[in-house]
Amino acid sequence: NAGVTQTPKFQVLKTGQSMTLQCAQDMNHEYMSWYRQDPGMGLRLIHYSVGAGITDQGEVPNGYNVSRSTTEDFPLRLLSAAPSQTSVYFCASSAFAGGITDTQYFGPGTRLTVL
Amino acid sequence: AQKITQTQPGMFVQEKEAVTLDCTYDTSDQSYGLFWYKQPSSGEMIFLIYQGSYDEQNATEGRYSLNFQKARKSANLVISASQLGDSAMYFCAMREGSSARQLTFGSGTQLTVLP
Repeated sequence: NAGVTQTPKFQVLKTGQSMTLQCAQDMNHEYMSWYRQDPGMGLRLIHYSVGAGITDQGEVPNGYNVSRSTTEDFPLRLLSAAPSQTSVYFCASSAFAGGITDTQYFGPGTRLTVL
Repeated sequence: AQKITQTQPGMFVQEKEAVTLDCTYDTSDQSYGLFWYKQPSSGEMIFLIYQGSYDEQNATEGRYSLNFQKARKSANLVISASQLGDSAMYFCAMREGSSARQLTFGSGTQLTVLP
């Protein structure tokens, strides 16, 4: 059982380039989300999805797009990379959307550097 | 205002001793859930323990327990019999009933277990 997988593990971009961070889960979870983690800070929510075809913004959505065409996949797109987007990105999923008891399970993270 | 506050950026504990990591939270919701995650140096986020606002008993999971004081809005993590492998960053997080789709994290506590 792979759980939550993310690719790539590391990525270096130049300012203005675009790219897609991939996230997949094999647990049939309804809820998927993207966080970024910056030094000295906890994780901050970028976007989330409560099911295929449904997405919404989190705390720090600017500069990122998401879509959810299948239950399994939730890619994060950087439209025009900026140095401020240098961070570690985590994808997470949980079984149900909207439950306070729902535990989120995290992928291994993608370390992104924008030069 | 910060929703989750972890006031200890770094903590040291001797192997086999117990340690308490502090977490205070701020919410006006009656229904909420509190989570602790461990992030070792390898970077993954590992779920440790959960406490619901209506739970009457403090949560326990093996060597981890949660000292939940609702009136003081604190949810401290207690690790008993510390092991070298407990050295990691620890994050407290909350999911509120009014915005249950979002998990809000504190800034973390770096725990170092000394031999």
